[in-house]
Amino acid sequence: QQQVKQSPQSLIVQKGGISIINCAYENTAFDYFPWYQQFPGKGPALLIAIRPDVSEKKEGRFTISFNKSAKQFSLHIMDSQPGDSATYFCAASMFGPYTGTASKLTFGTGTRLQVTL
Amino acid sequence: NAGVTQTPKFRVLKTGQSMTLLCAQDMNHEYMYWYRQDPGMGLRLIHYSVGEGTTAKGEVPDGYNVSRLKKQNFLLGLESAAPSQTSVYFCASSYSYGTPRYEQYFGPGTRLTVT
Repeated sequence: QQQVKQSPQSLIVQKGGISIINCAYENTAFDYFPWYQQFPGKGPALLIAIRPDVSEKKEGRFTISFNKSAKQFSLHIMDSQPGDSATYFCAASMFGPYTGTASKLTFGTGTRLQVTL
Repeated sequence: NAGVTQTPKFRVLKTGQSMTLLCAQDMNHEYMYWYRQDPGMGLRLIHYSVGEGTTAKGEVPDGYNVSRLKKQNFLLGLESAAPSQTSVYFCASSYSYGTPRYEQYFGPGTRLTVT
């Protein structure tokens, strides 16, 4: 059972445009929502993350919007650049940092973003 | 500081052969993870470890075994490889608690083909 659903599977955006990737989760116990960026031939790397106590987090051109009641969150890439062309994964976990247990990430299926000139 | 390294980068196995994938991290992280990445399925957790000498099953553990004899190393073993284990395998590590210290750091991956 897929607990984190991601869409679209692929996305083509022109340079300077806005890229939007959406994720929906089912487990209401999730309380940590990171986005990872992966370039071809490389491992994923953390891009930005949010906790559910805020509805939006912005870091440079990247913004996470979070809707707790709808159990949805999205990544917005403003002024998209060719260098942003990569695969993006949303993820979710139960943060539980102080219990000594590993906070296992459940990943979405990924969105392949291509930014054209 | 090399971060997370994986050995080997590529490997081709025949069905029934065995092999071990090695993951090493030099960040003194407590937690380590093994994932597999398949087209259209994202990353799925195979096994993880919360410390030296401890391991636990993830989402897709069947056909794999792991060991964490040293804090910096996490080994993934395939005892009898099957074509369904053709995948790209990623190792990751993280601190045990706290944000932003919680971030998982990924290695470059091992591309395994089982024929």
